[in-house]
Amino acid sequence: NAGVTQTPKFQVLKTGQSMTLQCAQDMNHEYMSWYRQDPGMGLRLIHYSVGAGITDQGEVPNGYNVSRSTTEDFPLRLLSAAPSQTSVYFCASSPGTGGNSPLHFGNGTRLTVT
Amino acid sequence: AQTVTQSQPEMSVQEAETVTLSCTYDTSESDYYLFWYKQPPSRQMILVIRQEAYKQQNATENRFSVNFQKAAKSFSLKISDSQLGDAAMYFCAYRSPPGTASKLTFGTGTRLQVTL
Repeated sequence: NAGVTQTPKFQVLKTGQSMTLQCAQDMNHEYMSWYRQDPGMGLRLIHYSVGAGITDQGEVPNGYNVSRSTTEDFPLRLLSAAPSQTSVYFCASSPGTGGNSPLHFGNGTRLTVT
Repeated sequence: AQTVTQSQPEMSVQEAETVTLSCTYDTSESDYYLFWYKQPPSRQMILVIRQEAYKQQNATENRFSVNFQKAAKSFSLKISDSQLGDAAMYFCAYRSPPGTASKLTFGTGTRLQVTL
């Protein structure tokens, strides 16, 4: 079972460049989400989706776009990278939209913006 | 909005001893779910244990158990017989009931060191 797959694992960008972080899950999960992890701040929610065609903003959505055209994929787009977006990014999914469904996490992408 | 607070940035425990990590949360909901996740140096996020707020019995998973105090909004994690492999960041997290398109809200984490 592949679970949640994130690519790439590492990325270096220059300020102003754009890129897409890929996330795919093969568990037919309804709910998918993106978090960023920064030292001393835990994990903060960027965007989430409760199903194909439905997305919503989390706690820190500025500078990021998402779309959910299929159940399996939930890419995160950085429109114009800034040094403040240097972080570790996690994609996570769950079978339900709340409750005791734990999140299944990908292995993360370490992004550095210079 | 719900908030989760972990007041211990770092903790240390000797191998084979017991350690308790603290977590408090703020919510106006009566039904919710709480989780502890472990993040070893590999960066992987691993579910350790979960607790439903409507259950009075504290959850247990092998050497890991929780002390859930609903009135105090407290959800601490106890690790018994600590092992070197328990060294990691531990995150407490809160989730609202199903049907609310709920997000998982995390605390800032506690780094656990295990010494010989």
